[in-house]
Amino acid sequence: NAGVMQNPRHLVRRRGQEARLRCSPMKGHSHVYWYRQLPEEGLKFMVYLQKENIIDESGMPKERFSAEFPKEGPSILRIQQVVRGDSAAYFCASSQTGFGNQPQHFGDGTRLSIL
Amino acid sequence: QKEVEQNSGPLSVPEGAIASLNCTYSDRGSQSFFWYRQYSGKSPELIMSIYSNGDKEDGRFTAQLNKASQYVSLLIRDSQPSDSATYLCAVFSGGGADGLTFGKGTHLIIQP
Repeated sequence: NAGVMQNPRHLVRRRGQEARLRCSPMKGHSHVYWYRQLPEEGLKFMVYLQKENIIDESGMPKERFSAEFPKEGPSILRIQQVVRGDSAAYFCASSQTGFGNQPQHFGDGTRLSIL
Repeated sequence: QKEVEQNSGPLSVPEGAIASLNCTYSDRGSQSFFWYRQYSGKSPELIMSIYSNGDKEDGRFTAQLNKASQYVSLLIRDSQPSDSATYLCAVFSGGGADGLTFGKGTHLIIQP
């Protein structure tokens, strides 16, 4: 499957636990974007990464959220000490370059539920 | 604050008719425009991209862009029940902002 791969598809955590969401970009893509979709809300940009670099994290909450895209392996979105308000669908997208005329292709998302 | 506005709908269109979806954006410097289709519980799927004023056609889909009016639209000809979904308008503004700004989407229902 050459598409954007996200796992897990569904993740349940209790308040205060940590959530780790993984994303492998499409083959040949080296630019990764994370978005969050709250119920009845639009997709909101969180962070843009290239290998080993965070390029734009203007949409990331200042606390508890972090992202990385190591030289080897998938991109990780990490949420520490989760709260009920973190319940959402988290989508990863990738593009071939970082230029705005390159479409972003989305993975199937991770549905995070906080008990 | 860069904004993308869409009518949330639902927009109900009879099968075989033309569905017209509209979107306005606030940042006049926006460069690239995309339409995504999202079925309930699924990921956004790229339908069309458009970068310059005018029309762009791809099969039953036509995207229209008017930068002076800050307006982009999507027409779906010969609408099919399988077109029933939420359509998301997304805008790339550039200027240091690297993510897409999405509208909340228009829920389209094609009535058989």
